Amino acid sequence: GAGVSQSPRYKVAKRGQDVALRCDPISGHVSLFWYQQALGQGPEFLTYFQNEAQLDKSGLPSDRFFAERPEGSVSTLKIQRTQQEDSAVYLCASSLGGTSSSYNSPLHFGNGTRLTVT
Amino acid sequence: AQTVTQSQPEMSVQEAETVTLSCTYDTSENNYYLFWYKQPPSRQMILVIRQEAYKQQNATENRFSVNFQKAAKSFSLKISDSQLGDTAMYFCAFMKRGFNNAGNMLTFGGGTRLMVKP
Repeated sequence: GAGVSQSPRYKVAKRGQDVALRCDPISGHVSLFWYQQALGQGPEFLTYFQNEAQLDKSGLPSDRFFAERPEGSVSTLKIQRTQQEDSAVYLCASSLGGTSSSYNSPLHFGNGTRLTVT
Repeated sequence: AQTVTQSQPEMSVQEAETVTLSCTYDTSENNYYLFWYKQPPSRQMILVIRQEAYKQQNATENRFSVNFQKAAKSFSLKISDSQLGDTAMYFCAFMKRGFNNAGNMLTFGGGTRLMVKP
């Protein structure tokens, strides 16, 4: 498809398990963002990639969270030793980015992965 | 740091009528962008309308328009001729404008749940 694809759509993990969430951005999009959206709240920034470079990871809540985008396209968000407070929807978004203004190349969001930690 | 506040957790409107969603923000930046996003149950964030802070003219997109009051740091969304398909969560968002716009992340408000009644 032409949109941002995220998988799995739903993930249930037992506390302490590791999880990996995948994001396939729109082909050719340079910029990729991860956001965390707790139930009933707005999304919060986690991290940003420009191609394969992770330029901003200031929003990652702990060192249990790790993101990568090794070839500048698909990205994976990994959460180690999951805790109940990690339960949320994880949204991925991409844009043309690069030298283009983010205003004129707006973000395209995926449908997110809903993570439930029991 | 920027903050975005949406003071109306829930709103309802009759089909074909007009509704206004409120948003205020706090920032020390002078150059920035403001957005309204719609999030239906599918969880995908959909851009509704956007405004550049240096433009005094309020943005309009078909049935959607904004009232941007820069001095008051207010950015409300007006939906005219409400349709059943407008039922969704609505998020106000802020993006600062830097030298390289590509990596600037969005700061979201807490959202307003809008229900359009037949």
